[in-house]
Amino acid sequence: ILNVEQSPQSLHVQEGDSTNFTCSFPSSNFYALHWYRWETAKSPEALFVMTLNGDEKKKGRISATLNTKEGYSYLYIKGSQPEDSATYLCARGSARQLTFGSGTQLTVLP
Amino acid sequence: DTAVSQTPKYLVTQMGNDKSIKCEQNLGHDTMYWYKQDSKKFLKIMFSYNNKELIINETVPNRFSPKSPDKAHLNLHINSLELGDSAVYFCASSQGVYQQYFGPGTRLTVT
Repeated sequence: ILNVEQSPQSLHVQEGDSTNFTCSFPSSNFYALHWYRWETAKSPEALFVMTLNGDEKKKGRISATLNTKEGYSYLYIKGSQPEDSATYLCARGSARQLTFGSGTQLTVLP
Repeated sequence: DTAVSQTPKYLVTQMGNDKSIKCEQNLGHDTMYWYKQDSKKFLKIMFSYNNKELIINETVPNRFSPKSPDKAHLNLHINSLELGDSAVYFCASSQGVYQQYFGPGTRLTVT
């Protein structure tokens, strides 16, 4: 994997469903993996920063895991709510910069 | 209090003009960035400054020039604007390489 890739590109779920999406990244020279939440007409907002293989982070109903050896991270949302609708971006951090994926656009239907 | 602010929020201008976008952060961070959101909504790094020193200068036309008068400010000046410069430009800041805090974005439209 040469770039940061996210899947799926978009996702529609019903309120109350749990969901997850994937971020894949080059595993060599890994430094950090960031997740951001980006609502329409707003700016990206940091959710998590993970650095160690096996890291798990949680904030309310949202959690994330990290596998640096195989180069992927999962973001989980438990019991999705309409206010969770947003684009979720992951970014691979080097010592100097972040490289962003294209995001997963989540729509939670009431 | 706004952590990272940008002005203006919207900028409509004609081709060939020169314009500036200002960014200020009150978080005490040592690193500031400019990103361009392209037509596919990718965030692409343009510049990064650490303690007023340029540390990243990605392949952008030299019509774009960042200026950091102090650690709390990173302005973006664009000469001879072209239609393809139309985009949303985001400023961000961080302490070292930790999580970044983004400004609200400046939507630039070149006509």
